[in-house]
Amino acid sequence: DAGVTQSPTHLIKTRGQHVTLRCSPISGHKSVSWYQQVLGQGPQFIFQYYEKEERGRGNFPDRFSARQFPNYSSELNVNALLLGDSALYLCASSLGAGGRAGANVLTFGAGSRLTVL
Amino acid sequence: GDSVTQMEGPVTLSEEAFLTINCTYTATGYPSLFWYVQYPGEGLQLLLKATKADDKGSNKGFEATYRKETTSFHLEKGSVQVSDSAVYFCALRHLGAQKLVFGQGTRLTINP
Repeated sequence: DAGVTQSPTHLIKTRGQHVTLRCSPISGHKSVSWYQQVLGQGPQFIFQYYEKEERGRGNFPDRFSARQFPNYSSELNVNALLLGDSALYLCASSLGAGGRAGANVLTFGAGSRLTVL
Repeated sequence: GDSVTQMEGPVTLSEEAFLTINCTYTATGYPSLFWYVQYPGEGLQLLLKATKADDKGSNKGFEATYRKETTSFHLEKGSVQVSDSAVYFCALRHLGAQKLVFGQGTRLTINP
């Protein structure tokens, strides 16, 4: 069975440009979350979507946006790129959203590595 | 706010050595605790978890016990292998929430 798939795997942009990252969750998973992992640091939560609705947002500027489609895939968009946006962007999926302790464990994709020059 | 602190890396050990990676957390209530592992060029994989105090999570020879009194979740393995070389992340999540709060990660290198 396919895991969480992300595209593209690597990309290079210049400051001020816009980027769209894509994520396909595991079949049957209805929740998608996005995390930013800067080199040498732990992942930071950006967004969570469940059933096409935003269920959580981390401390990121409005340049970051996302959406979830009827097939539960998701896009992360970043406008007006800054050098500091260079990072590995991780997508994770789960069956549901939150729930009882320990339930709905996240499964992560391999990530999209964004370099901003 | 919530936070997770891991021991500074990198950690370098010889094969068959005993491993401990320390993790402490600051959070309200009683979150669930997790260890994730990231191999080179890959995403995060769940290694083990514990959902309440005194629970022990275990997988692939790794263990960690949820210690409420010391707010800790240290990762241990009795005999490491070269294939255990990776970056290890400790994380917490509150009941009813989806957001994971990660530590900064600890890079582990095992030499043959």
